[in-house]
Amino acid sequence: QVTLRESGPALVKPTQTLTLTCTFSGFALNTKGMCVSWIRQPPGKALEWLALIDWGDDKYYNTSLKTRLSISKDTSKNQVVLTMTNLDPVDTATYFCARLIRGNYYVYLDQWGQGTLVTVSS
Amino acid sequence: EIVLTQSPGTLSLSPGERATLSCRASQSVDSSNLAWYQQKPGQAPRLLIYGASSRATGFPDRFSGSGSGTDFTLTISRLEPEDFAVYYCQQSGRAFFGVTFGQGTRLEIK
Repeated sequence: QVTLRESGPALVKPTQTLTLTCTFSGFALNTKGMCVSWIRQPPGKALEWLALIDWGDDKYYNTSLKTRLSISKDTSKNQVVLTMTNLDPVDTATYFCARLIRGNYYVYLDQWGQGTLVTVSS
Repeated sequence: EIVLTQSPGTLSLSPGERATLSCRASQSVDSSNLAWYQQKPGQAPRLLIYGASSRATGFPDRFSGSGSGTDFTLTISRLEPEDFAVYYCQQSGRAFFGVTFGQGTRLEIK
């Protein structure tokens, strides 16, 4: 059974750095085709893809946020960490991590964590 | 950058009716990389359709996906009360760069 769980602070002050951890089980991130992605959703708004790390440690970022994001993995701990710098109130959102399957043919996000709400406020 | 535009923004229908949701890409995309997700209030999105037309585990056959190139459609043949939710399309491009989502279609009970 594949599970993912996000953890991190619920409240962050403007200009601070946010660090979120995705702890997963049920799959190995070093298996070809496996990726973990971060997606966020401001209250009442649409999904926004943030970043992705794949089985070969290749990293991909939303071009609009690339300068503020960093993604890394610890395969031994089954964790993926996302850092976002210089937080602003507009970054208030529920942050999801999800497994992305990048197969020989298909690409999709098949398993999601429950999400963690991060509020940016002084 | 490929932009996905979903229409309509909100669709108001009654149970038993047919729902047709559109996802249009700003340029041609590989249908193998086109997916649809269902999201209910307070829940994470759930994979519904992948490869433009393959139904994910757990969804009944009243859900179907179709399309190619720049135009993709999600159809729900006969709406059940549990189908009222927000639906997002997603694509990852012919040259993999990550993913993008459409802005979503809210399917509400009329």
